[in-house]
Amino acid sequence: DTEVTQTPKHLVMGMTNKKSLKCEQHMGHRAMYWYKQKAKKPPELMFVYSYEKLSINESVPSRFSPECPNSSLLNLHLHALQPEDSALYLCASSQEGQGAYEQYFGPGTRLTVT
Amino acid sequence: AQSVAQPEDQVNVAEGNPLTVKCTYSVSGNPYLFWYVQYPNRGLQFLLKYITGDNLVKGSYGFEAEFNKSQTSFHLKKPSALVSDSALYFCAVRDIEDSNYQLIWGAGTKLIIKP
Repeated sequence: DTEVTQTPKHLVMGMTNKKSLKCEQHMGHRAMYWYKQKAKKPPELMFVYSYEKLSINESVPSRFSPECPNSSLLNLHLHALQPEDSALYLCASSQEGQGAYEQYFGPGTRLTVT
Repeated sequence: AQSVAQPEDQVNVAEGNPLTVKCTYSVSGNPYLFWYVQYPNRGLQFLLKYITGDNLVKGSYGFEAEFNKSQTSFHLKKPSALVSDSALYFCAVRDIEDSNYQLIWGAGTKLIIKP
C-alpha cells in the first residue's frame, strides 16, 4: 500500500480565517513533506519532517505553521493567508532507506484564498 | 548548482508510436533520479526511479527510463503510447549526499497523445 491521504480536498478561506490541512500515511515512512504547487509548475518544497522533527523550513511565511503529532500524521495550520497563497498543497512521504527514496504524494488540497 | 532540465515544454505523439520525454541533470555527487506523472487536478504519481544497478529501469504503466551517466540524462520512454498517457511529466533528481531529502525538479513536460 503506497497511499497518502489528505483532507480536505478543497478549501475556500477568507484572509482572516484559520484552517488546517491534514495528511496521513501508514507506510512507516520516516520523512514527510509539505509542498505548494501552482498550475502546470513543479512542486515547491515548504517543509520536511524527519523522524517527526522539522528538518527543513524553506523560508516559508509564518502564516503557514506545520505540525507533526506522530509518525503517521502531518498538519499544516493556515492563518491570515493572502490571495497569492491559493494553490494545490501536496503532502508526501518517503521511507528513506533500503533503496526506497522515492516520495509518495497525496491527492492534494486545492486551496482558494478570497 | 544542482539542476534538472526538461528541454521540451510539450511533446506530441500519435497513439501507438513510441514516446520519449527528455531529462538531463546536474548534481555535484551521484544522483538518485525519479520520474513522476500528474494528471489534471490530481497529485503526483511516482513512475520509476534509478538508485543504483542496471541503467535501464522499468516502472509503472509500461514506462522505462535509461540512466546515462556520461550524458547526465534520464530520458523516459514507452514503446507504444496510449491516449491515457496524456499528462504532465516531471523529472526529479536528488544528490545521494544530501541528507535533507530534497528533490530538484524539472519544469515539467506536457505529453499529448493523439488518437
